[in-house]
Amino acid sequence: NAGVTQTPKFQVLKTGQSMTLQCAQDMNHEYMSWYRQDPGMGLRLIHYSVGAGITDQGEVPNGYNVSRSTTEDFPLRLLSAAPSQTSVYFCASSYIDPGVSYGYTFGSGTRLTVV
Amino acid sequence: TQLLEQSPQFLSIQEGENLTVYCNSSSVFSSLQWYRQEPGEGPVLLVTVVTGGEVKKLKRLTFQFGDARKDSSLHITAAQPGDTGLYLCAGAEDPGNQFYFGTGTSLTVIP
Repeated sequence: NAGVTQTPKFQVLKTGQSMTLQCAQDMNHEYMSWYRQDPGMGLRLIHYSVGAGITDQGEVPNGYNVSRSTTEDFPLRLLSAAPSQTSVYFCASSYIDPGVSYGYTFGSGTRLTVV
Repeated sequence: TQLLEQSPQFLSIQEGENLTVYCNSSSVFSSLQWYRQEPGEGPVLLVTVVTGGEVKKLKRLTFQFGDARKDSSLHITAAQPGDTGLYLCAGAEDPGNQFYFGTGTSLTVIP
């Protein structure tokens, strides 16, 4: 089925370890983004991209890196995991058209625990 | 970053009851979206509203965008257990621009 695929679904890391959360979409969407979801805080934007080779910071970018080498893929890297990064991470994508507000398509999430 | 406040944060009702959840901000939005999220899944878009005062209906769900485009409401008629989930609003200041999400309303409908 077309959509946004996130891997892994669950991950436990030790403090200081690094890892990459994968996100891929097959809808040819220009826009891709990463959010983290914590209880009572809704979805907070980490990083986003409006096309291959273009990335920008969101509300809570510290501790995370991203790159966009292709339209399809937008990986999120944690260089040195901290317990404060324990959260559920969602990748989202959409078309971009000035003057039109497209809805986001979300992946099913990655639940990350840092111990 | 716009601050979108949703109320109530939690809501537990009996099947068949009506309910309204609210999304408020001090910012003016060009468009506002509502999403529903079920446990273990990502949010799914329900509706987009773009005109002040606009009302959209989706079966038993009625969405309204405030006249000043700073707030929105979601009304559910005769709630069913399948309506259980986290409801999120998201607003963008400019068309085609970044959407920022509210804090969410967790709804439980008891059979």
